Amino acid sequence: EVQLVESGGGLVEPGGSLRLSCEASGLTVNDAWMTWVRQAPGKGQEWVGRIKSKTDGGTAEYAAPVKGRFTIGRDDSKNTVYLQMNSLQTDDTAVYYCTAERATQIFYWGQGTLVTVSS
Amino acid sequence: QSALTQPPSASGSPGQSVTISCTGTSGDVGNYNHVAWYQHHPGKAPKLLIYAVTVRPSGVPDRFSGSRSGNTASLTVSGLQAEDEADYFCSSYAGSNTPYVFGTGTKVTV
Repeated sequence: EVQLVESGGGLVEPGGSLRLSCEASGLTVNDAWMTWVRQAPGKGQEWVGRIKSKTDGGTAEYAAPVKGRFTIGRDDSKNTVYLQMNSLQTDDTAVYYCTAERATQIFYWGQGTLVTVSS
Repeated sequence: QSALTQPPSASGSPGQSVTISCTGTSGDVGNYNHVAWYQHHPGKAPKLLIYAVTVRPSGVPDRFSGSRSGNTASLTVSGLQAEDEADYFCSSYAGSNTPYVFGTGTKVTV
């Protein structure tokens, strides 16, 4: 059974930084396309970015609103994916979900971690 | 890419059926066979119900079925049960720039 467990959310002031972690079990993160999705209060889900599997190049891609501010990385020894968020804005307030893709679909989701950007 | 449009709510009595629509465009729902449906109980991880428009993953009851007509995908829940009360949302592949777009979500009340 695949489990994705996010951590690292919390309250941060505008302009601040936060790093989210996603520890995986039941799958190997370097063999998977790992994606971050967020859901702002009262809104639908939004794709944030993803990191491809090692065999597919291991590169990361980002949505336009976060490009240049967010970075997705991976620690294969810990089977964990990270989302480093810098220059946070109030619009970044959301529940952030770690997900895993398969066959061009998101198959697995974590429970999410809440990030609140407020002064 | 805009969000996919879903009705905000749907309801039915136990044993009845409910169908939820998910309307996109020819650039997403109407163009790719990568449409998925998820069930989300608040505070828990969303669960995949349907992928590739009509395919149920192992373990998902056959009460859940997916279909598509043009730019609109649909999820039908037959034989409603109390535990089906949850939020449901759709997703579609939308191309390389923004790979995934999501529905606005539908709250199903049983």
